[in-house]
Amino acid sequence: KAGVTQTPRYLIKTRGQQVTLSCSPISGHRSVSWYQQTPGQGLQFLFEYFSETQRNKGNFPGRFSGRQFSNSRSEMNVSTLELGDSALYLCASSLQGLAGYTFGSGTRLTVV
Amino acid sequence: KNEVEQSPQNLTAQEGEFITINCSYSVGISALHWLQQHPGGGIVSLFMLSSGKKKHGRLIATINIQEKHSSLHITASHPRDSAVYICAVGKGGNNNDMRFGAGTRLTVKP
Repeated sequence: KAGVTQTPRYLIKTRGQQVTLSCSPISGHRSVSWYQQTPGQGLQFLFEYFSETQRNKGNFPGRFSGRQFSNSRSEMNVSTLELGDSALYLCASSLQGLAGYTFGSGTRLTVV
Repeated sequence: KNEVEQSPQNLTAQEGEFITINCSYSVGISALHWLQQHPGGGIVSLFMLSSGKKKHGRLIATINIQEKHSSLHITASHPRDSAVYICAVGKGGNNNDMRFGAGTRLTVKP
């Protein structure tokens, strides 16, 4: 079966712009979580969506937002990009958020 | 102090050696996860533990809830095991509000 698909794989944006990243979970998985990974801070939890509702949110500013569609696909948006937003953004899906996770390959965002 | 501490940060082993990576946490958790990340960035979820021990092939994960400590063991290590191993804990009643360790970079030499 298809894994978790994240698009695009690589992205270069300019400071002040906004960006939208996409995550298609494994078929049947209703929970999608987003994570940011940087060399300095490591992996950090952004938010989790379950059945189109944000169920949990990490400690990130309001510039980071997300949503989930009825087919469980999820998008995250970062507005007014800063250099520090350069990171690998990973999403993971699971059946209910309590079982094992499957991670996507990530989107590497570079802000210049 | 980080909520999740891993040791060692870096580990180099010869092929065939027995590997142990440790994880200590300071918060109440509902589950602990071991993740594997290869150089390309992709992450694989190895184990999710809430008690006891789990085994999958050459990998064994244990957790001691009272001591707030978990270990990941790799038996008969192989160069393809070279990766970063990350411990993550799910806090409280929601596994998805996770806190991550800094990772252990393992290099297995042939």
